[in-house]
Amino acid sequence: GQNIDQPTEMTATEGAIVQINCTYQTSGFNGLFWYQQHAGEAPTFLSYNVLDGLEEKGRFSSFLSRSKGYSYLLLKELQMKDSASYLCAVRDRNTGFQKLVFGTGTRLLVSP
Amino acid sequence: ETGVTQTPRHLVMGMTNKKSLKCEQHLGHNAMYWYKQSAKKPLELMFVYNFKEQTENNSVPSRFSPECPNSSHLFLHLHTLQPEDSALYLCASSLQGDEQFFGPGTRLTVL
Repeated sequence: GQNIDQPTEMTATEGAIVQINCTYQTSGFNGLFWYQQHAGEAPTFLSYNVLDGLEEKGRFSSFLSRSKGYSYLLLKELQMKDSASYLCAVRDRNTGFQKLVFGTGTRLLVSP
Repeated sequence: ETGVTQTPRHLVMGMTNKKSLKCEQHLGHNAMYWYKQSAKKPLELMFVYNFKEQTENNSVPSRFSPECPNSSHLFLHLHTLQPEDSALYLCASSLQGDEQFFGPGTRLTVL
């Protein structure tokens, strides 16, 4: 099976940088997704990594190390609106390219 | 409308009721999904449909019955549910294995 771990909750200050980690164990890794979910709203896609390295997209970057089973989401110049849950999800080629297994999510609280 | 829509947004039902959740996607995708999201638990995949054919049933109890009449519409029929089935039910769609786009969800409460 697959096991995905993320911190439950993090706090940070407006304007700061925060790194949200995700570790996973899967036998046929085939991609990792990050989603953002504001309270009471739909998850929205942030990033996708399948090869090692850093993917940058504006204030958000995502990193992957397949050998370590590790990813992080880096949020720069934090804004109040970044307060949300951040979900890490892994795809395994052994269970199909459409089946995503999600972590429990990291709730980020940004304070002034 | 654009994106993925779900109705109703909120639903309260008794254990003997029968109700249906509806999902519609306007993105031209060919895959649709039902997920369950409970408090403090990971998003849990329930069903996957590709081109109207069910390709995944993640050991979901038979009191949940999906229906996919075409690539744009997905239903989840509910009957004789239990209080522990109370959760947020999310629909998503994608183009094959690309990123999934989620609807706003139906908040279900079973009394």
